[in-house]
Amino acid sequence: SAVISQKPSRDICQRGTSLTIQCQVDSQVTMMFWYRQQPGQSLTLIATANQGSEATYESGFVIDKFPISRPNLTFSTLTVSNMSPEDSSIYLCSAMGTGSFSYEQYFGPGTRLTVT
Amino acid sequence: KQEVTQIPAALSVPEGENLVLNCSFTDSAIYNLQWFRQDPGKGLTSLLLIQSSQREQTSGRLNASLDKSSGRSTLYIAASQPGDSATYLCAASDSGTYKYIFGTGTRLKVLA
Repeated sequence: SAVISQKPSRDICQRGTSLTIQCQVDSQVTMMFWYRQQPGQSLTLIATANQGSEATYESGFVIDKFPISRPNLTFSTLTVSNMSPEDSSIYLCSAMGTGSFSYEQYFGPGTRLTVT
Repeated sequence: KQEVTQIPAALSVPEGENLVLNCSFTDSAIYNLQWFRQDPGKGLTSLLLIQSSQREQTSGRLNASLDKSSGRSTLYIAASQPGDSATYLCAASDSGTYKYIFGTGTRLKVLA
C-alpha cells in the first residue's frame, strides 16, 4: 500500500490570494490525481498530475486556476489561484500504481480550505 | 462519460444486521471499481478493489461484487457494528482510463 501525506491539513485564506497544497507519497507511483470535495458532496476529479509534463485537466477545470506540478514520482503540488469563497472545499490527492497493488487508488487525508 | 449512482443515500440499521449498499454505473468498459469509506472530516480509506476481470472481493466482514453487464456493484457488510458508521463511496473508472468517477455515497449509521 501507499501512505500519502498532505500539507497543510487546513487553511483559512482571504479571497484573491493563492494557496499551494503539497502531496507526498512514501513510494514511487505511476499516477497521481487531484480531487475536490465541496461541502456535503462527493469527490470530483480536477486533474491527473503527469510526471515531467503538464497536468491533464477535467472539464470545468483550467490550468490558470489550478496549476499543478509533479516533479518526480512521489510528489505533487496543487495551487488554488485567485481564490473566491466558492473554492472552499476539501482538496485530496490520490495515487495508484505502486508495487504489487498496481491498480488500487490511495488517498491522502485532504486539505480543508476555507476562503473568506 | 461514466456516471455512478449509489442507493440508498442514507441508511440507519440496528447493530448486528447484515446490509447491502448498491452502486450503479453507466459504462461497462471499466478497468476497476473501488469501494471506500469516509469518516466525518477525514480522507478516504480503501475497502475493496475489484478489477474488471474479477467478480468479487472479500475482506473480513466485507464482500463486494461486480456485474459489468448490468452495470452494478454491491457492498455487503455482515454483522454490522457501530464502528461501521461512515459514508461509503463507490468509484468506477471512466471509459477506458484509470481515472475515477465517484458516486454520491451512502451515509450509514449503525445503532448500538
